[in-house]
Parts: sequence; C-alpha cells; structure tokens
Amino acid sequence: DTEVTQTPKHLVMGMTNKKSLKCEQHMGHRAMYWYKQKAKKPPELMFVYSYEKLSINESVPSRFSPECPNSSLLNLHLHALQPEDSALYLCASSPTILPAALEGLFFGSGTQLSVL
Amino acid sequence: SQKIEQNSEALNIQEGKTATLTCNYTNYSPAYLQWYRQDPGRGPVFLLLIRENEKEKRKERLKVTFDTTLKQSLFHITASQPADSATYLCALLLYTGRRALTFGSGTRLQVQP
Repeated sequence: DTEVTQTPKHLVMGMTNKKSLKCEQHMGHRAMYWYKQKAKKPPELMFVYSYEKLSINESVPSRFSPECPNSSLLNLHLHALQPEDSALYLCASSPTILPAALEGLFFGSGTQLSVL
Repeated sequence: SQKIEQNSEALNIQEGKTATLTCNYTNYSPAYLQWYRQDPGRGPVFLLLIRENEKEKRKERLKVTFDTTLKQSLFHITASQPADSATYLCALLLYTGRRALTFGSGTRLQVQP
C-alpha cells in the first residue's frame, strides 16, 4: 500500500463548528506533514510530526490543532475557523524526517475545506 | 528575502516537443531540489530529486538540471504528451534552518495534441 488516504474529500463548515480532518498511511513512514494550499498558490507547511512527536509548528493559529495518535494516523482538529481558512489541506508522509526523504514526500489527495 | 520563482504563465506546447520549465531561487543554499507534478484538486506527486552537487538527473522522459551558481533548476519533458498536462512544482530543502520543503508556486503545462 503506497497511498496516503485523507478523509473527508470535501468539507463545508460554519465558523462555530468543530470538525476534524483525518490522514492515514500504511507505508511505515515515521514523518507526517500537514500542508495548506490556496488556489494557484504553493503548498504551505503547517505542521511536521516525527515519530509521533510534533517537530515543526509553522506558527499556525491555535484554531488548528494537530494530533498524531500513532505512527499511521494524523488528525487536524478544526475549531472556530475563518472564511480565509478555506483551502485544500494536504497530508504527506516520508520514511523519515527531512533531509533523509530522498524519495520525496507522498501526498494524499487532500481535503477541500470551505468555511462559511 | 528568500524567494522561489516559477513562471506563473502557463506553458503551451505541441505534442512531441520538449517542455522546459524553470525554477529560480534567491537567498537560499539548498541541499537539494525536488520536482513534483500536481493535477487539479489532487496532491503533488514526487517526480525527481537532484542534490546540490549533481548537475543533471534523468528518469525516463524527464531531465532535471541544477546550477547552484545561477541558482536555477530546469525541468525538461521530452516527447511531451497531452497526459503530461499538469502543474509542475519545484521544492527546495535547505542545509540549515527549517528542515522542511519550501515549494514554488508552480508552472502549468498544457500539451496540445
């Protein structure tokens, strides 16, 4: 299995809702990432987990809360989001944390989030 | 300030021709550079990695060059096909500082049959 699976594929939420994005991989990768991508813009790093520990937090607002319950799962909990948070949220994994990831990052298809 | 620049204008070429995409960077000393393909509404897919001490890398119809003096990478697709139509992103990893990839905004390639 060489896939990174993200659910849901689409999500519409109000500004007072609480929702979670889920990411799963079964490649034995020990580094997992959350990226945010707006239309026609590059993916922007949000968080990096290495061996289930948070390694990088790119000064992301606290309304985004990551969680790595085990080596295969990565969640992103969303609360009190703003309309400008609407974007494609991408999860990725790599065998180990960079710079050792010579095979590149494996990305999921993303969750398209709309905040109303 | 640090910048990664890719041509924001779409590149339109005829099937069978060679597509050449450019990635320029400033104020970075990258350890390596990666190229990804991204289709609409999908995550990027890794294509090739080239290290700072390598001049050229090939994989099937793909070729990447890396010139650390010019601070530029070129990405070539030979014998292009309509199925190659996508957005191509370059990404840098630095020797020091944040150990994470920084992406360019990508160039959209359209191959006409």
